[in-house]
Amino acid sequence: EDQVTQSPEALRLQEGESSSLNCSYTVSGLRGLFWYRQDPGKGPEFLFTLYSAGEEKEKERLKATLTKKESFLHITAPKPEDSATYLCAVGGANSKLTFGKGITLSVRP
Amino acid sequence: EAQVTQNPRYLITVTGKKLTVTCSQNMNHEYMSWYRQDPGLGLRQIYYSMNVEVTDKGDVPEGYKVSRKEKRNFPLILESPSPNQTSLYFCASSNAGPYEQYFGPGTRLTVT
Repeated sequence: EDQVTQSPEALRLQEGESSSLNCSYTVSGLRGLFWYRQDPGKGPEFLFTLYSAGEEKEKERLKATLTKKESFLHITAPKPEDSATYLCAVGGANSKLTFGKGITLSVRP
Repeated sequence: EAQVTQNPRYLITVTGKKLTVTCSQNMNHEYMSWYRQDPGLGLRQIYYSMNVEVTDKGDVPEGYKVSRKEKRNFPLILESPSPNQTSLYFCASSNAGPYEQYFGPGTRLTVT
C-alpha cells in the first residue's frame, strides 16, 4: 500500500525566514511525486511533478526536490501570501494518487 | 477559462435522502476523480474514471455511486446519505492519467 507522511503538521515562519517541508513516501512503482497548494475553502492547486530521484523544480520562492524516499519543498524568503496548506502526493503503479495529510504553513509579516 | 465546476457548493440534507453532486470539466480531460477531505484524514479518493463508461473504486467507495456517460461530466451519487458522509468533496480531472489533476472548488456536504 502506498503511503505518504508529511512533516511537520504545521509550521509558522516569520516573513523572510526560509524553511523546508518534508514528504516521506513508500510506493510501488513510482510514477511521480506531486506537490499541491491548498488555500482555505478552495480546491488543491497543482504546483510540481517530480519523476525521479535527483530531480528539482522551481517556481518563484518554492523549490521541490526528490530522493528515493523523500521530497522536500524548500521555501526561500517566504511572504505572507505563501501561507497555505501544502499537500504531497505519490502516483504509483496502481494508477492512483495517494495524498499526505498536508502541512499548514503560516507566514507572519 | 479552463476549469472544473461542481454543484452545489454547499448542501445540507437529511439521512436517507438521495442526492447528486455534479462535476463538469471543459478541458476535454479523459481522467476524472472524486475525493473527500476530512480533518486529520486528508484527501481520500472515492471513485475515478479513466474514460467514458470506465469507472473504478478508489479507497473509500462505500455509500457512493458514479457514472461517466459523457467525457465532461462525472456526477457523484449518494443514494442513502448518512451522517458519516458529512465532508468536503472535490472533483478533479487530468489529461495525464491520475496525475497533475485540476481540482474543482469543492462541495461542503452536511448530512443530519
